[in-house]
Amino acid sequence: GENVGLHLPTLSVQEGDNSIINCAYSNSASDYFIWYKQESGKGPQFIIDIRSNMDKRQGQRVTVLLNKTVKHLSLQIAATQPGDSAVYFCAENKGAPGGGNKLTFGTGTQLKVEL
Amino acid sequence: GAVVSQHPSWVICKSGTSVKIECRSLDFQATTMFWYRQFPKQSLMLMATSNEGSKATYEQGVEKDKFLINHASLTLSTLTVTSAHPEDSSFYICSAEGLAEETQYFGPGTRLLVL
Repeated sequence: GENVGLHLPTLSVQEGDNSIINCAYSNSASDYFIWYKQESGKGPQFIIDIRSNMDKRQGQRVTVLLNKTVKHLSLQIAATQPGDSAVYFCAENKGAPGGGNKLTFGTGTQLKVEL
Repeated sequence: GAVVSQHPSWVICKSGTSVKIECRSLDFQATTMFWYRQFPKQSLMLMATSNEGSKATYEQGVEKDKFLINHASLTLSTLTVTSAHPEDSSFYICSAEGLAEETQYFGPGTRLLVL
């Protein structure tokens, strides 16, 4: 069935290092992907998105890479800071009946930043 | 930016009672709102999609008579958990998407504990 999943459940990095969080998806028809950050006890926070007609998009300290050939998505965080500690989810955007964009979330990766 | 609020942020209730959770888009009109449920250490699972003025569309396995959704205005959707039981204890999160938005913005979540 359709699935959006992550390779690593937990990622530990040293403060200042770069972090790379990976995601695999199986629905080749999806054309829009989003990364969310979720801190403990809070709702997901939008980080960055990318459309399928792109293979790279950059934001502030974050870069998303999309490889449609192998259905792989990654989030790179530069100079990781303690405040980046959270669970990161990739989400695949599919159309919802009657309009709207239905999201399917991956399993999540816990990012731990060590001082 | 797009802000979504939820009320209450947490609620404790006795088994058999009903609980209503509100989701509001504060600075934009939400044509579509989504309700998710998240158990500890797990990903977000979509429960239903609601469009203003029409019946909600429920995901497979979600009981529509137990989880009543009303989207009466472009800024408010409510989720009522009827006859709540301990297994309904979870983190309920809503998201909203407006005409000018192509992604979802999430509320802070509501923690429900059923005793």
